Parts: sequence; structure tokens; C-alpha cells
Amino acid sequence: AQKVTQAQTEISVVEKEDVTLDCVYETRDTTYYLFWYKQPPSGELVFLIRRNSFDEQNEISGRYSWNFQKSTSSFNFTITASQVVDSAVYFCALSEADRDDKIIFGKGTRLHILP
Amino acid sequence: EPEVTQTPSHQVTQMGQEVILRCVPISNHLYFYWYRQILGQKVEFLVSFYNNEISEKSEIFDDQFSVERPDGSNFTLKIRSTKLEDSAMYFCASSAGDNYGYTFGSGTRLTVV
Repeated sequence: AQKVTQAQTEISVVEKEDVTLDCVYETRDTTYYLFWYKQPPSGELVFLIRRNSFDEQNEISGRYSWNFQKSTSSFNFTITASQVVDSAVYFCALSEADRDDKIIFGKGTRLHILP
Repeated sequence: EPEVTQTPSHQVTQMGQEVILRCVPISNHLYFYWYRQILGQKVEFLVSFYNNEISEKSEIFDDQFSVERPDGSNFTLKIRSTKLEDSAMYFCASSAGDNYGYTFGSGTRLTVV
């Protein structure tokens, strides 16, 4: 069965600090996709990244970076030099590559960036 | 950039009333989904729809829920007799398959009073 665990319920850091959000997943499939979404106070889901299970390369996009390690079933997300606008709930999610493509979300990590 | 459009953005309804949430998926997408997020909780899968039929549904998607693609563009979620616990944000999503182009709408906040 699919499962996504985000052990950190809430994190607070001071602006300009780096912060890492943890994500551990479970799946029986060899082909799957991992996602991170940002949910600001306005409520919409903002897509951040989609990663195929066959691509273990780490990715960097501006201040964001992702570390995918199949050996530990983890897909962690780091924000470098955090800003107040990064304050949001961040969801890690998993989709197994079957016909349905449903996405299973973790419970989310609420990130507070303090000025 | 193509968008998934949901209307209304906020709906208030009385308990026991029927409500229809509307979505316009991205035009060349083939797979359609509804998700629900109760306030402060995680986003939960409700149902997936492909080739004019439900392909998978969760335990949450019981007999009071139904989905329909009445024409070539709209995808609707109907809740037949709303309960207080149906209050949530409902997200529509669509994809082209293999998770390609998976896109969420901005959500409809349903409040049942």
C-alpha cells in the first residue's frame, strides 16, 4: 500500500536560515512519482516538483532543492535562505504508475518563517 | 499555461441540500479527479474518472457522492444530501496520463451549515 509520512508537523525558523522538510514514502511499485506541493494561506495547491522513481538525481531550483534517496525511501526538500513568503504548508505526495494516477498526500508540514 | 478551473470558489449550503461542484479540466487531458481537504488536514483522494467512468474511488466516496462529465468540457462532483462533515475544500485535478501534466484547480471551499 502507498503511504507518505511527514514526521514534522510544524517547523519555525528565522528568516534566512536553511530548513529541510522530511518525507518518507512506502510503495510496492518500482515505478512511481513523487511530488511536493506548497499550500499558502489562500488555500490553493502550488506544484513544486514531480520526480520519477528512476531519476535519483538531486534537483535544485533557485532556493529550493530536493534530495531523493531510494535506499531510504526519502524525498526531502530544502529551502535555502528562507523568506517570510515561504511560510505555508508543504505536502509531499506519491503516485504509483498505474492507470489511475491517484496521488496520496502526506499530512503536511506547516512552515513558519519568522522575520 | 493551461489551468483547471473550478467554480464556485466558495459555496455555503444548508445541511441536507444537494450541491454540485464544477470543474473545467485542461482540454486535452484524459484523467480527472476529485480530492477533498478538511480544514487543517491532509488532501485526500476521492475519485478518479477515465473514459467516461469511475476508475477508482476511495472509502470516502460513498453513495451520496457522484461524478459526471456531462459534456466535453465540464467535470462535476455532486453531493446528494450534504452533512456538516462534508465541509471541506474540494480540489479537481486532471492529467494526460502517466501523471503527465497533473494539474490541480484552485479549489472550492464548501461550507455546510
